Parts: sequence; structure tokens; C-alpha cells
Amino acid sequence: AQKVTQAQTEISVVEKEDVTLDCVYETRDTTYYLFWYKQPPSGELVFLIRRNSFDEQNEISGRYSWNFQKSTSSFNFTITASQVVDSAVYFCALSRTKAAGNKLTFGGGTRVLVKP
Amino acid sequence: AAGVIQSPRHLIKEKRETATLKCYPIPRHDTVYWYQQGPGQDPQFLISFYEKMQSDKGSIPDRFSAQQFSDYHSELNMSSLELGDSALYFCASSSDREFDEQYFGPGTRLTVT
Repeated sequence: AQKVTQAQTEISVVEKEDVTLDCVYETRDTTYYLFWYKQPPSGELVFLIRRNSFDEQNEISGRYSWNFQKSTSSFNFTITASQVVDSAVYFCALSRTKAAGNKLTFGGGTRVLVKP
Repeated sequence: AAGVIQSPRHLIKEKRETATLKCYPIPRHDTVYWYQQGPGQDPQFLISFYEKMQSDKGSIPDRFSAQQFSDYHSELNMSSLELGDSALYFCASSSDREFDEQYFGPGTRLTVT
């Protein structure tokens, strides 16, 4: 069975601080996909990033960066220089390959509150 | 770019009534997924369809049924509604490419009174 754990339920920061969201996952698959989604107060789910299990290269995209480490089954996400508009619930998610049934398994979410 | 369309956006029903939620995927997307998000919870997978056939099933109650039509839109039918069915229902779609992420619609907020 697949499982995603986001230990942090809520993080509060002041604008311009960096925020790192932790995500730990469990899977028996050798090929899998990891995602981060953002859910602002308006309720929609916004895709942020995807990582394939066979690509551990960490990248930076604008103010977002992520750290994928298979050895520790972690897929952490960082927002640099946070802004008030970053206030939202962030979900880490895991899926299998399409052939195995690629439903998303979400973590419990981390609520980020960025104060001006 | 076109996004996933869900209707209605809000729905209020009474216990034991039925509800039908509709989802129109992104053009040329052939896979549709349904998720249920209760208050303060993470989204839970209900069911998915690929090329009009059910491809995977999660913790979907027997009172719920769904299908995907020839134009690839999907409908989630919910009968004998219970208070616990009050939730945000998301539809997502993806293409048949292995690496394609799921794109979510805005959700339908169902309130059962």
C-alpha cells in the first residue's frame, strides 16, 4: 500500500522567510511519481511540481525548490522568500505508474500561513 | 488553455436525496478521476475511467456510481445521500502519456442537510 506523511500540520511565517515542507512516503514500487499540489482558500487544487522516481535531480523553479531523496523516502518542498499569496494548504502526493493504476495518494496536508 | 470543468459548483441536497455531478475533461484527455475531500481532510480517490472503461476503484460507497461517456465527460451519481457525504468533490483529467500529471477541476461543493 502507498502512504504519504506530512508531519507538519501548520506552519506560520512572516513574509520573505523561507518555508520548507516535509514529505515522507512509503511504496513498494520501483517506479512511481511524486507531486506537490497547492490548495488556496478558494479551494481549487493547483499542480506545482512532479518528480519521477528515477530522477533524483533537485531543481529550482522560481521561488520553488524541492529535495528528493530516495534513500530516506523524502520529497521536501521549499518556498523561498514567502509571500502572503503563498498562504494555502500544500499537499504532497504519490502515484504509481499508469499501468498499475495511477490514482493519487495524498498526505494530510500542511497549512502555510504567511503573515505580512 | 482549457481546464477541467465541473458542474454544478455548489449543490445543496437533503438527506436521502440523489445528486449528479458532472465533469468535462481537458480536450484530448482520455482519463478521468474522481476524488472526495471532506472538511479539513486530504482528497481521497473514488474512481477513475480510461477510454470509457472503469480503470481503478477506491473507497467509493455502493450508493455512488459513475461512468464516462463517449465524449469523455464523466458523471458521478450519488443516491441516498447522508450528512457525511458533504464534501468537496474533485474531478481530474490526464492524457494517456505515462508522465502526465492530473489536472484538477475547481470542484463541486456538496452540502447535505
